[in-house]
Amino acid sequence: QVQLVESGGGVVQPGRSLRLSCGTSGFTFTSYGVHWVRQPPGKGLEWVGILWYDGNYEYYADSVKGRFTISRDNSKNTVYLQMKSLRVEDTAVYFCARDPEKYFDTSGYFDYWGQGTLVTVSS
Amino acid sequence: IVLTQSPGTLSLSPGQTATLSCRASQAVATDYLAWYQQKPGQAPRLLIYGASSRATGIPDRFSGSGSRTDFTLTISRLEPEDFAVYYCQQYGKTILTFGGGTKVEIK
Repeated sequence: QVQLVESGGGVVQPGRSLRLSCGTSGFTFTSYGVHWVRQPPGKGLEWVGILWYDGNYEYYADSVKGRFTISRDNSKNTVYLQMKSLRVEDTAVYFCARDPEKYFDTSGYFDYWGQGTLVTVSS
Repeated sequence: IVLTQSPGTLSLSPGQTATLSCRASQAVATDYLAWYQQKPGQAPRLLIYGASSRATGIPDRFSGSGSRTDFTLTISRLEPEDFAVYYCQQYGKTILTFGGGTKVEIK
């Protein structure tokens, strides 16, 4: 069965960096895009970004552009979210989520989600 | 694209019908709109994509409709497990956006 498992969350000071991991199984990793989506405590969902499975498309929300970077390791079936210059407002549960579409032009929604990992940015 | 969901909270009894609205600030290309259900402490679950296509395993009491800027999620014959928060999300633009959510609570 399809599984996505996030890890790497924790408490970090403002201005510091953190890397989240999303380990996947149950599907052909090299054929699917995996997005990152976040949710501040008690609030709604915010899309963070995507690196398409072929590496040809990489997009981020304006709120994280230039600070966050997504990468993939096909040998480990894992997607990473490198977060730099963290701010208090980056505090959230971070989810990774699979995109079910084969082509980027029709992509952009999420059929399987991980359970999320909490990142708290606080001094 | 900014998505505005209404109402913020819907108080209904089991067996009733819930009608949730999602309005976009501009037309959503090719009706690329999805709906998700989220329960406390859980990840969201995909209900509807392409404005009206049900995801795998979703009961037919969930239906999506609408186009361009106005979309609706209808939940017929509410079951106890349907009380949750619902989000719409557009994927017509490269930068994806979610609505603020509608909470369906037990009256």
